[in-house]
This record gives sequence, C-alpha cells and structure tokens, in this order.
Amino acid sequence: GDSVTQMEGPVTLSEEAFLTINCTYTATGYPSLFWYVQYPGEGLQLLLKATKADDKGSNKGFEATYRKETTSFHLEKGSVQVSDSAVYFCALGRSNTGKLIFGQGTTLQVKP
Amino acid sequence: NAGVMQNPRHLVRRRGQEARLRCSPMKGHSHVYWYRQLPEEGLKFMVYLQKENIIDESGMPKERFSAEFPKEGPSILRIQQVVRGDSAAYFCASSREEVRNTEAFFGQGTRLTVV
Repeated sequence: GDSVTQMEGPVTLSEEAFLTINCTYTATGYPSLFWYVQYPGEGLQLLLKATKADDKGSNKGFEATYRKETTSFHLEKGSVQVSDSAVYFCALGRSNTGKLIFGQGTTLQVKP
Repeated sequence: NAGVMQNPRHLVRRRGQEARLRCSPMKGHSHVYWYRQLPEEGLKFMVYLQKENIIDESGMPKERFSAEFPKEGPSILRIQQVVRGDSAAYFCASSREEVRNTEAFFGQGTRLTVV
C-alpha cells in the first residue's frame, strides 16, 4: 500500500542555514504530494503541493520538486528563520479519495 | 470566513466513558476527514465523510468508533467505552472538493486524554 517516509528529527539549525527535509514515498500511479506545517498547539497548514511529476511546489521560501524517478519530494529552504520552527509533514493524496497518507513528521528547531 | 472549528480543544475522560468530538467544516465545504495523531507519530487517516454519507472508513477501528456528518450541524466522531490507548490528538479537515484537487484545511484538533 501507499506509504510516506520522512527523515527523523529533530533537526536543529542556526538562523539563515540551509534546510533539507527528506521525504520519499511508495505508491503506484501518480499521487499528489504535499508538505504540511504544524506550529505548536495548532492544526496543520498546507505549505506547498505538487500534483504531477517534475512539478515544483513553492511557498514562503520553501520548495519541493516531485521526483518520480527517485520517488521523492524533499523540502528545501535556502535560509531558515526562528519562526520556521515547527513540525513538517510530508503527505500523499490520490484522486477520488479524501485520504492523505502522512509521514511521521520532522521537528525543525531554528536557533538565533 | 472562519476556519475549521473543533471542540472541545481538550477532553479528559475516564476509562469506559464516551467521548464526542465535534468538527464544523469551513463554510461551503462538504467533505470532512478525521485523522488521529498518536504521540510521536504522524497523522493516521480514520474516516472520510460527505454530507450524510461515509465515503471511506478504512482507517476506523472496527469497534467503539463511529462518525457521522448530518445534513445539519457538525461532524461528530464518537468513541464509546474509551481506553487509555485512545489518548491522542484528533484532527478534522474539510475541503470543497476531493483533496487531490483542492486544499484540505485542518482544525486545531481535540486532545483526548483517557485517565
């Protein structure tokens, strides 16, 4: 069945450092891929998405490219801020279903 | 436009009691999803509902758990005879269309503690 695997956290970075959070998936066909962010005490917010191979999703300086050949959707940001500290979830979704398959989440801590 | 509203935010129940979790989707959204987040884990899909219909309940435990989304009023996730293992954060999400084509908006969650 479908599954999503993320790199384990926590990831601790200094402000302005480069961020990569790895995400790989197992699925047949062509699912959509998402990154969600969860700030402390809050629900999940959609950060970015890509619906087909080679699409690049981007938002707030974050980017991720849908790589079908490597079944990956790694999240990157060139210069992180303290306000980026949160838990990041990679997810997979299919047409004709409301089900999202989430990775286990990666906690990012950015220190000033 | 208010977001997805879940209540209560925190719920404490003794073993054997019933827990009722409510979710009001965003205005204009007719698709509702429930997810459970166990400590140190990602979100696990439980059930997908449209108005008055259960579309996919493949993630729901076979016993004690039920969900509904009536024509009027919020969606309800009901857990009967709760056990300690039910302690988790329960998140509701809603969307205007199927989630592949549009964003699903999440509520802030209900944190259930069974004592």
